[in-house]
Amino acid sequence: DTAVSQTPKYLVTQMGNDKSIKCEQNLGHDTMYWYKQDSKKFLKIMFSYNNKELIINETVPNRFSPKSPDKAHLNLHINSLELGDSAVYFCASSQGVRPTGTEAFFGQGTRLTVV
Amino acid sequence: GEDVEQSLFLSVREGDSSVINCTYTDSSSTYLYWYKQEPGAGLQLLTYIFSNMDMKQDQRLTVLLNKKDKHLSLRIADTQTGDSAIYFCAESPINQAGTALIFGKGTTLSVSS
Repeated sequence: DTAVSQTPKYLVTQMGNDKSIKCEQNLGHDTMYWYKQDSKKFLKIMFSYNNKELIINETVPNRFSPKSPDKAHLNLHINSLELGDSAVYFCASSQGVRPTGTEAFFGQGTRLTVV
Repeated sequence: GEDVEQSLFLSVREGDSSVINCTYTDSSSTYLYWYKQEPGAGLQLLTYIFSNMDMKQDQRLTVLLNKKDKHLSLRIADTQTGDSAIYFCAESPINQAGTALIFGKGTTLSVSS
């Protein structure tokens, strides 16, 4: 069973479009995250939700809007996509508001390409 | 501020030991992590160390922590071609109400046979 699953795995879209990436975890964790990995492989936190409440909101354009319908799901909606949004987006989950020990699990990533 | 530094590349021969080094800035980090990313794949948690430990060994992996110098290293014994990947060091500062992993830029390990 996949612990943290993201869909889609690949997403190619045109500039200006709106798209969503979905994430689900079946680990019973309280906290979920979105990270962005750029073309140089640098990973940076974007958002974090704990029990459906936003607890981390890094400096991210407001075209990015996370939504957590329940604590097992954290979706990422992106409006008016730009070329610079092309990246790999990783979802992760952990127990508690901070990842500790073995509990920071990552999904396989969604490679977004904006053309 | 929060910053994690790693060298970008390491090249070794199969069978040799690999040592990947990392420095971090936040002394409040309770846990420090090593993640592995193979090409086109997600992030795999390799190992972690609690900040009150100096060393942790797990099969071919040895993690050394020098808390005074804020230096973390990952040693891979008997490196295999399957170990070729990007290795990320990460810290988890506890000085915020809620926080996340702060990653280094990753070290690309290339293993030649």
